[in-house]
Formats: sequence, C-alpha cells, structure tokens
Amino acid sequence: SQTIHQWPATLVQPVGSPLSLECTVEGTSNPNLYWYRQAAGRGLQLLFYSVGIGQISSEVPQNLSASRPQDRQFILSSKKLLLSDSGFYLCASSAQGIYDGYTFGSGTRLTVV
Amino acid sequence: AQSVSQHNHHVILSEAASLELGCNYSYGGTVNLFWYVQYPGQHLQLLLKYFSGDPLVKGIKGFEAEFIKSKFSFNLRKPSVQWSDTAEYFCAVILFSGGYNKLIFGAGTRLAVHP
Repeated sequence: SQTIHQWPATLVQPVGSPLSLECTVEGTSNPNLYWYRQAAGRGLQLLFYSVGIGQISSEVPQNLSASRPQDRQFILSSKKLLLSDSGFYLCASSAQGIYDGYTFGSGTRLTVV
Repeated sequence: AQSVSQHNHHVILSEAASLELGCNYSYGGTVNLFWYVQYPGQHLQLLLKYFSGDPLVKGIKGFEAEFIKSKFSFNLRKPSVQWSDTAEYFCAVILFSGGYNKLIFGAGTRLAVHP
C-alpha cells in the first residue's frame, strides 16, 4: 500500500521568507501527485497536480510553485511568503488512469508571521 | 467548473442524535462522489464512495449516503452518532481527464458530538 511522507509537520515562517515543503511517496510508481491547502474556515483547495516528472499543473493563481524532480517526490515552494499563505498543506497521491483511492500525507501546518 | 457545496459548516449534536450532512455538486456528466473524514490529529480517510449502481451506499462506522441525481445531492447520514464521530467531514467529487484524476472537495463540516 502507498505511504506518503510529508515534512515538516509544523512550520512558522516570517513574511518574505522562502518556503520548501517536501512530499515523498512509497509503495507505488508513476503516481498522480497533488498539493492541497486548507485555509482557516475553508475547505481543501487543490493547488497543484502532477502526472509525471517535471509536469505540473496549477489550479489557482498564487504565490506558490510546485516541482516534481523525481517520480515519487513532490515539492511545494515559495520565494517570498505572504501572510495569506498560512494554512494546512496536504500532499496526496493516486494511481494513474483510474481512480483507486487517494492516499493523503499527514500535512504541514504553516503559519506565516 | 465542477464544485461541491456543503451547507453546514458547524454541527453540534448530542450522542444518539441522528445526523445528516448536506452535499450538493455541480457537474453535468457522470459523477463519482465521496465522503472523507478527518478525526482530530489524524489523516484524511475515506468514509464511503459512490461510483454507480445502488444510490444508497454504506460506509464504515455506520455511515451511509444517498445519491439523488435529480437533486445533485449526496447527503451523509448516521442514525445515531457517538462522541467518537467528532471530526471534520468532507464531501468530494472526482474529475477524470486523460490520464489523471482530480478530487474536488467541499468546504467541510465540523461535527462536535457531546456526551
């Protein structure tokens, strides 16, 4: 079965600082990968998805970017954090082609101060 | 664009009360619908899903949901809640396109069950 490792669990960063959140997947190959964000009082919003190495699609315009340097590695980044980037970030994976369930990471709670 | 609406953001119930959480989706094609739950400090986990067939689907922990196509709804129900059902519940719809799929979530409903 798939396992997603996501770190760090908690992060407090000042406004204007860079960000790098990492997600790695075990137990599968060539997965679809996703970054979701849950802002306070709001639901889970899809930020990025990737169907393969170097292939990134953005769902919403924002201050963040994503990269997939390896098949099972998905990175969420920012050059300069904004207060509005605070939230709970979840990495998820699913099988290619058909829906066979999503596996979610444990999430990173980011607070920008 | 596909979207999912959950009408209740916060629900407070006493143990043994019945639960119904509303979910409506907007999509004209074939839909696959899900309810996920996130218990405090835990990962998101799947409660139940509807792909096709019997519109009344049963999930884990005594939950069920009914797909009503004419109403674009997929409400979650449980006849008698327990304190351990305190969690956040998310309705979701999946969009398939080419070789990928995207899970679109509603805003979530926070359920608090008091003993």
